[in-house]
Amino acid sequence: AQTVTQSQPEMSVQEAETVTLSCTYDTSESDYYLFWYKQPPSRQMILVIRQEAYKQQNATENRFSVNFQKAAKSFSLKISDSQLGDAAMYFCASTSGTYKYIFGTGTRLKVLA
Amino acid sequence: DAMVIQNPRYQVTQFGKPVTLSCSQTLNHNVMYWYQQKSSQAPKLLFHYYDKDFNNEADTPDNFQSRRPNTSFCFLDIRSPGLGDAAMYLCATSRRTGVAYEQYFGPGTRLTVT
Repeated sequence: AQTVTQSQPEMSVQEAETVTLSCTYDTSESDYYLFWYKQPPSRQMILVIRQEAYKQQNATENRFSVNFQKAAKSFSLKISDSQLGDAAMYFCASTSGTYKYIFGTGTRLKVLA
Repeated sequence: DAMVIQNPRYQVTQFGKPVTLSCSQTLNHNVMYWYQQKSSQAPKLLFHYYDKDFNNEADTPDNFQSRRPNTSFCFLDIRSPGLGDAAMYLCATSRRTGVAYEQYFGPGTRLTVT
């Protein structure tokens, strides 16, 4: 069975600084995909970044990048130049390509002005 | 813009009074999902449709039913809501299974049970 663990219930970062959110996962599948989703307060969940497990190169989307350590089953999200609009709940998720997406329990990110 | 729409955004119902939540999508995705999300928790999958094929999660209460009359619409029916069913209900879509396309989420319907 797949599991996703986010060990940081809450994180804070100063505006313009960098923060890293942690995620570990476990799967017996050889082919799988990892995602970070952002859920702002009272707003819909949106995809931040995705990573295919077969790709060694870490995914990057503007200020968002991941550190994918396949052997360690770690998938952390780095947010550079943090902005007030980055404040949200962040969920790490995985899927092996079936219908089911496994979500972690989330990390609430606060951005301090 | 293509999107996932949920109506209503807020729903108040009485204990035991049936309620229906709706979801529509303009993405033409063939997979649609219903999740229950309680405060500060991860979304919990209730069921999903792959085209017209309905798939129920093993731990989804019988109180929850779903209908998908066509590709664009999907409904969540709660036959006899209890206080424990108060939550945010999220609809999501994806292009298909077998390839891990990301999910697209609607804004959610917040259900209050009085």
